[in-house]
Amino acid sequence: GAGVSQSPRYKVAKRGQDVALRCDPISGHVSLFWYQQALGQGPEFLTYFQNEAQLDKSGLPSDRFFAERPEGSVSTLKIQRTQQEDSAVYLCASRDVTGWILRRETQYFGPGTRLLVL
Amino acid sequence: DQQVKQNSPSLSVQEGRISILNCDYTNSMFDYFLWYKKYPAEGPTFLISISSIKDKNEDGRFTVFLNKSAKHLSLHIVPSQPGDSAVYFCAASDVLYGNEKLTFGTGTRLTIIP
Repeated sequence: GAGVSQSPRYKVAKRGQDVALRCDPISGHVSLFWYQQALGQGPEFLTYFQNEAQLDKSGLPSDRFFAERPEGSVSTLKIQRTQQEDSAVYLCASRDVTGWILRRETQYFGPGTRLLVL
Repeated sequence: DQQVKQNSPSLSVQEGRISILNCDYTNSMFDYFLWYKKYPAEGPTFLISISSIKDKNEDGRFTVFLNKSAKHLSLHIVPSQPGDSAVYFCAASDVLYGNEKLTFGTGTRLTIIP
């Protein structure tokens, strides 16, 4: 079946502009995660949804970052008033709850959106 | 504070030989560990995982070893193939304690020399 898809794949924004990044998880996957990956670093956790509920947003770097998943499927990560330090690849991952008792953390990633803020 | 560390930024291995990638962690609450492989312009691809109740997990050419006392895990690839050239990320989570997120290392770039 189809994997996780993200759009756009590339986004160039002027400093101060608002951006919206979309994630389509694997169909039926309950959990959805957003990560930020800076150049030369590993992905860093931003936020996590279970269905439409945002259960953890501890990784969001500032109140300019906002994520939603209103119907428990597609998710949008919004960044307001973008700054140059927001330039990174934004990765979305989804996870089934199969094996919930063992809570196996196999997250499947999309290709990412590369954001460049000028 | 880097809770998951991959101290080797790069590694080159001859085709057919064994590749060993290392990862250290500091958080003793971590109970599940994963390796992901990443090609340029693609998202990380899940490779293999291990629970803290085990010390070894094998899947084809890939074996992950976990040494809990040393807080160290390693990924062995035998035999190494040119298609294995990629960046490898070690990741950890403490799901049994209710923490769903993955904490990643900074990655090791593996180059397989034909």
